[in-house]
Amino acid sequence: GNSVTQMEGPVTLSEEAFLTINCTYTATGYPSLFWYVQYPGEGLQLLLKATKADDKGSNKGFEATYRKETTSFHLEKGSVQVSDSAVYFCALSDRGSNYKLTFGKGTLLTVNP
Amino acid sequence: GAGVSQSPSNKVTEKGKDVELRCDPISGHTALYWYRQSLGQGLEFLIYFQGNSAPDKSGLPSDRFSAERTGGSVSTLTIQRTQQEDSAVYLCASSLSASGAKETQYFGPGTRLLVL
Repeated sequence: GNSVTQMEGPVTLSEEAFLTINCTYTATGYPSLFWYVQYPGEGLQLLLKATKADDKGSNKGFEATYRKETTSFHLEKGSVQVSDSAVYFCALSDRGSNYKLTFGKGTLLTVNP
Repeated sequence: GAGVSQSPSNKVTEKGKDVELRCDPISGHTALYWYRQSLGQGLEFLIYFQGNSAPDKSGLPSDRFSAERTGGSVSTLTIQRTQQEDSAVYLCASSLSASGAKETQYFGPGTRLLVL
């Protein structure tokens, strides 16, 4: 079956620091990969996605590249802001599983001023 | 436009009672998914609807859980004889269709259920 493993948190950074949250996956088919973000007190929002190997998803300064050879989709941002403090979830979906999302356990990021 | 809405936003119930949770998907979205978010288990899939039919119920944790969707729109998740381990945030998501992995799922704000 499908599974997603992401870096355990919490992660605490100072403003303007570089961020990496690691995510690796196992899938039987050819999945699409996603990063969702949950800001305090809010619902899940799609941050970025990539649907095939070597695609790069990007949004709000965040990037992630779909690496089929390493089955990875690591999230990066060059300079984090206090407003980026949230829980980040890596997820995948594929046709064989009716496109339901399989999530990692989430990584809590806290950015201090 | 309007996003996915869920009601109630919070529900406190006593062990053994039945509860109904409602989801209004984005208009025109044919695919609807229910997930559960709990501290111990993270985010778990429960059930998937395409139109009014549910081709994938594999995530429902027991026969106390059921769901229906009417008119290809509103969905209700029912939990019978609630147990304390049912306490969680129940999330609903919808997408235009499930015909391609390119379809993004949009999530509602969730219903926070507490079983005393």
